[in-house]
Amino acid sequence: DAKTTQPTSMDCAEGRAANLPCNHSTISGNEYVYWYRQIHSQGPQYIIHGLKNNETNEMASLIITEDRKSSTLILPHATLRDTAVYYCIVRARQLTFGSGTQLTVLP
Amino acid sequence: KAGVTQTPRYLIKTRGQQVTLSCSPISGHRSVSWYQQTPGQGLQFLFEYFSETQRNKGNFPGRFSGRQFSNSRSEMNVSTLELGDSALYLCASSLEAGTGGWAFFGQGTRLTVV
Repeated sequence: DAKTTQPTSMDCAEGRAANLPCNHSTISGNEYVYWYRQIHSQGPQYIIHGLKNNETNEMASLIITEDRKSSTLILPHATLRDTAVYYCIVRARQLTFGSGTQLTVLP
Repeated sequence: KAGVTQTPRYLIKTRGQQVTLSCSPISGHRSVSWYQQTPGQGLQFLFEYFSETQRNKGNFPGRFSGRQFSNSRSEMNVSTLELGDSALYLCASSLEAGTGGWAFFGQGTRLTVV
């Protein structure tokens, strides 16, 4: 499985965009990048995934660099309910979770 | 469409006992995966079942086992419980096997071993 590296924690002001980076320099050409988040003591929630093109859905946008070695998850208007641990995962047969980024949205 | 349902939500067991946890996947999903989450080790993959067959297995001792029924519901069993088995056990369902990235999780079963 390709390894991912994420910052341990980040803060974001409510209403501002939250940009969460992820490094996956060993990603293979056919591996997808997935983002999940986990709000305290709940099951992880799927957010978005992509292969090489930028993706957007109702929750977030995913920007993948051209060399695919890194990506950024963007929450366009963060709310207090977005406070969670965000996991960047490179798809394998099973989900391999790293430590993730603790995003705290501040009022 | 109902989500992934795990029962029970909370469980307290004594060391040496065994426990069975249940997971009902999203309707139409045929793959069920199990994960263990502890503060020290984070989220770790246990195993995946598809069409009543174990398709993939993580690095856990044989005390951890599972099965899947013809209706795709799955159970996992932990025998001879140890204090270190205290964890949040999460189940995830997906349409097909090996599609680990596109999975939907239940709320988990919080197991406490005393």
